[in-house]
Amino acid sequence: AQTVTQSQPEMSVQEAETVTLSCTYDTSENNYYLFWYKQPPSRQMILVIRQEAYKQQNATENRFSVNFQKAAKSFSLKISDSQLGDTAMYFCAFMKRSNAGNMLTFGGGTRLMVKP
Amino acid sequence: DAGVIQSPRHEVTEMGQEVTLRCKPISGHDYLFWYRQTMMRGLELLIYFNNNVPIDDSGMPEDRFSAKMPNASFSTLKIQPSEPRDSAVYFCASSLGGSSPLHFGNGTRLTVT
Repeated sequence: AQTVTQSQPEMSVQEAETVTLSCTYDTSENNYYLFWYKQPPSRQMILVIRQEAYKQQNATENRFSVNFQKAAKSFSLKISDSQLGDTAMYFCAFMKRSNAGNMLTFGGGTRLMVKP
Repeated sequence: DAGVIQSPRHEVTEMGQEVTLRCKPISGHDYLFWYRQTMMRGLELLIYFNNNVPIDDSGMPEDRFSAKMPNASFSTLKIQPSEPRDSAVYFCASSLGGSSPLHFGNGTRLTVT
């Protein structure tokens, strides 16, 4: 079974600054995918970014980028130029590569507050 | 694309009552998932379907919970009888399978008094 750990329950950052959210995971799988989801106060779960384990290049989506360290089983999210709208819960998630289904295993989440 | 649609958005019921949560997945998505979110346990997978067939229901907490998917465009999660500890946000999600990400509905907040 896979486990996902987010060691920072809460974080805060000043608007326009950069913040990094940590995530580690434990798996015996070699082929898998990693995701970051954002959950704002509206409760909606929004996909932020995705990384394939077989790709060495770190994924980037506008102000969001990841630092994927496969050997260390680490998958951190960096948010640059933080905006007030980035205030939300952030969840790291693991997906095993399988023909039987692609369920996600989530970490416990990090609550991020962006301060003006 | 309207996304995954869940109803109701909020549900308040008394202990012992039957509760039915509904979900319409994105058209063309072969996989449907039900997750539960609580402060204590985070996001837990309850059950998922592939082509309307339940594949893994090991996350369903007990026999009071049941889920069905009678067709490709509709699924229900039923709790009978409901208990206060069932209070949570229940999410439905769908995907194309493979490495495709899950697309979530807005969730149903259930309160059992």
